[in-house]
Amino acid sequence: QLLLQESGPGLTKPSETVSLTCSVSGDPISGTSYCWGWIRQSPGKGLEWIGTIYNSEKTSYNPSLKSRVSMSVDRSKNQFSLTLRSVTPADTATYYCARLQDYYHSSGLPDHWGQGTLVLVSS
Amino acid sequence: DIVMTQSPDSLAVSLGERATINCKSSQSLFYSSNNRDYLSWFQQKVGQPPKLLIYWASTRESGVPDRFSGSGSGTDFTLTINSVQADDVAVYFCQQYKTTPQTFGQGTRVEIK
Repeated sequence: QLLLQESGPGLTKPSETVSLTCSVSGDPISGTSYCWGWIRQSPGKGLEWIGTIYNSEKTSYNPSLKSRVSMSVDRSKNQFSLTLRSVTPADTATYYCARLQDYYHSSGLPDHWGQGTLVLVSS
Repeated sequence: DIVMTQSPDSLAVSLGERATINCKSSQSLFYSSNNRDYLSWFQQKVGQPPKLLIYWASTRESGVPDRFSGSGSGTDFTLTINSVQADDVAVYFCQQYKTTPQTFGQGTRVEIK
């Protein structure tokens, strides 16, 4: 059974950098049919795709966040991570990690989600 | 970016009745090379992450009850819940995964009347 679990600091101050990690169990992160991503949800913006990292470690980011986002994979730990720089209160949201189906000519279909972790940006 | 617009924002239905949710995309989600519409539907219950119900506009995810069905093509899509159960109380989202960035509708809340 595939399980994804996010971890992160919870509370972050404006202008700081927040790092989140997604631990994956039940499926090797190196699977060729899948890619891995982050999606956030806030009352104001709804569901917003942040980015995806592929088996090749190529990344794709939402243009609205691209200048502040990076993602990486640690295959030895079966984890992948998100770094978001220069956060503001507008980045307050529940952050979900997800497995995405890497379909032909697709930006990826998120078919399994973690439970989510709340990131609160406040001084 | 492709804008996804759902209607209505909320609806209340009686147990056993049908619920219909519409989703309109600002660009066609149909790709002629594989004859597929890159449209999915998710269900989100309170305190839970979204759960995939439907993909390719009309294919039910494994384990999803057959009272859930998806239809439509191009820019207009529908999620139908036949014989609504108490367990179907949730917010439903459509999503397009054809282009980057993938985008979601604003959600439709389904309640029991």
